[in-house]
Order: sequence, then C-alpha cells, then structure tokens
Amino acid sequence: EVQLVQSGAEVKKPGESLRISCETSGYSFSSEWIGWVRQMPGKGLEWMGIIYPGDSDTRYSPSFQGQVTISADKSISTAYLQWSSLKASDTAMYYCARQYYDSSGHTLDYWGQGTLVTVSS
Amino acid sequence: QSVLTQPPSASGTPGQRVTISCSGSSSNIGSNTVNWYQQLPGTAPKLLISSNNQRPSGVPDRFSGSKSGTSASLAISGLQSEDEADYYCAAWDDSLNGYVFGTGTKVTVL
Repeated sequence: EVQLVQSGAEVKKPGESLRISCETSGYSFSSEWIGWVRQMPGKGLEWMGIIYPGDSDTRYSPSFQGQVTISADKSISTAYLQWSSLKASDTAMYYCARQYYDSSGHTLDYWGQGTLVTVSS
Repeated sequence: QSVLTQPPSASGTPGQRVTISCSGSSSNIGSNTVNWYQQLPGTAPKLLISSNNQRPSGVPDRFSGSKSGTSASLAISGLQSEDEADYYCAAWDDSLNGYVFGTGTKVTVL
C-alpha cells in the first residue's frame, strides 16, 4: 500500500527557517517523481514543484522558484520542502503527492495528509 | 493565478446530474491528459479521474470525465450528499513546464 506521511503542524515567526517532511512507503521512492502543493487559507491548489529522487532532478513552478527548496533522501524514502526565511504569506497547508508519469501523462495519484504552516509574529 | 478556468460553484438535489467544466489552452488541456481531484472538507485532495476519463479503483462509476479540444468536463450522476466537496481539474502545461490546477468548483447538494 502506497503511503505518504507528512510531519506535524508548525508555528514559526517571520524570518525563521523551516523544513517539513514527507515520508513515503509502499513503492520504489527513487523511481517516481514526488512533489509539493500549496493551499492558502480558503484558496485553491497550487503546484510548487517536483523532484525525482533517483537523480535529484528538480523542477519548480515559476511562482515558487527561489522561494523554496525541494529535496529528497533516498536512504529513508523521504522528501522535504524547505524555507530559509519565512514570510507571513507562507501561511498555508502544504501537501506532498507522488507525481506518477507515464505515456498517459502526469498524475498526482497519492497524497499526504498535509502539513499546516503558520507564520506569525 | 490558475490557467485552467472552472465555475466557482455548482449545485443540485440528491439524484440529479451535475457537470463541471474546465477550460484551458493548447499548451495544457489541448496537448495533455486531464485529471480531476476531489477535496472533501478538511481533508487532503484525492484523485478522482485520471487520463481524461479513467476512474481509479474505489471511485464510484457515477463520476465520469471527458475532454474535447482545450476543455474538459466532470459529471456526477445520481448526486449524493457525500459528494459535497471542492473539485479541481489539472493538467501538465508544456509552456510553463509545470503542472497546473483549475480554479476549483464547490459542489453543494441542496
């Protein structure tokens, strides 16, 4: 059974750094893309970017390029989303999701439960 | 901002058929497959329809998807109270080289 389990809710101050995690199981972590999706309070879904753990190839949405860092540790089948200096506007729910790719295209087929990040002074 | 446009809301009574549209362009829906996601209140999104019209295991057959040109549609037939949720279309965009979501549609069961 494929599972993605995210780290717990975080409350941070502006300017602080943060790394949240997404631990996976039930499939070959190195062989599938895994990505992150942001949902700001009361808003829709925004794709942030993906990483291919096999070779660490990483792609970012233009909206998030330079704002966050996506990484992965193959040895523990875990993906990460990281900020170096949080802003209040980073307050949102963040979801990790496996981005399956084949001849039919891209599909976010399995999702984590979400990590709520609150940034407030 | 989203490059795929959906109506903000749709509604129906139990048993009715509801249709949600998703309008895109040649760089996304026009050249790639469309997926639909269901987000029940307070939960993570769930894949509902993949590759334009394929239902993953466990998704009831009253959910169906279609695509024509640069638009796609999700239909819910035999609407049930548990279908109250937000629904999002999504597709890969070749120009943006990224995955794009629709603006989302809130379905209400009257």
